[in-house]
Amino acid sequence: GAVVSQHPSRVICKSGTSVKIECRSLDFQATTMFWYRQFPKKSLMLMATSNEGSKATYEQGVEKDKFLINHASLTLSTLTVTSAHPEDSSFYICSARDFGISGQETQYFGPGTRLLVL
Amino acid sequence: AQSVTQLDSQVPVFEEAPVELRCNYSSSVSVYLFWYVQYPNQGLQLLLKYLSGSTLVKGINGFEAEFNKSQTSFHLRKPSVHISDTAEYFCAVSDGFGNEKLTFGTGTRLTIIP
Repeated sequence: GAVVSQHPSRVICKSGTSVKIECRSLDFQATTMFWYRQFPKKSLMLMATSNEGSKATYEQGVEKDKFLINHASLTLSTLTVTSAHPEDSSFYICSARDFGISGQETQYFGPGTRLLVL
Repeated sequence: AQSVTQLDSQVPVFEEAPVELRCNYSSSVSVYLFWYVQYPNQGLQLLLKYLSGSTLVKGINGFEAEFNKSQTSFHLRKPSVHISDTAEYFCAVSDGFGNEKLTFGTGTRLTIIP
């Protein structure tokens, strides 16, 4: 199956700093990528949809100025947590949409990034 | 609007026993259905998906699921589980009309007892 990578896998930062997380589709091009947040022992919450070459679409309640998304190429989307605070500590997971040979859509997920803000 | 209900938050099962993880969905349109597995501190891995066609879908690691439209269910089954199947399992739905957003259930923690 298709492979999606995330970098870094784990990051610890001080409160008030910004953190950038990268999501890459390694063997396919993805015009659309998604960013999720997962709280401990909870399901995934969709934060935003990242579209190559256009502005991201944010879900209700997600601050777009806090979570900056850039999808500059067909294989890379970045999520920047600006002025991070302890409540931003979470597991962030990206996914990339692939249509495959048959044209059927599937989302492939990255391994996630654990963010801890001190 | 779509929603997914996973009725069991935790399911303990003895090794080599069969297991069924339940998933019910609601949607006003036709759906695509998915099961994902998440191992500790990892992202999600696709187990199987139903897009159309046969209602019995076979996935990786010996798992299968059956789409039941009348009962709006997509239960996941495995005839004999292994210790390595211990993980969190998520059922998800998308609306199948180009809205690629996935709506996830709250997950079921499968624990295999030796």
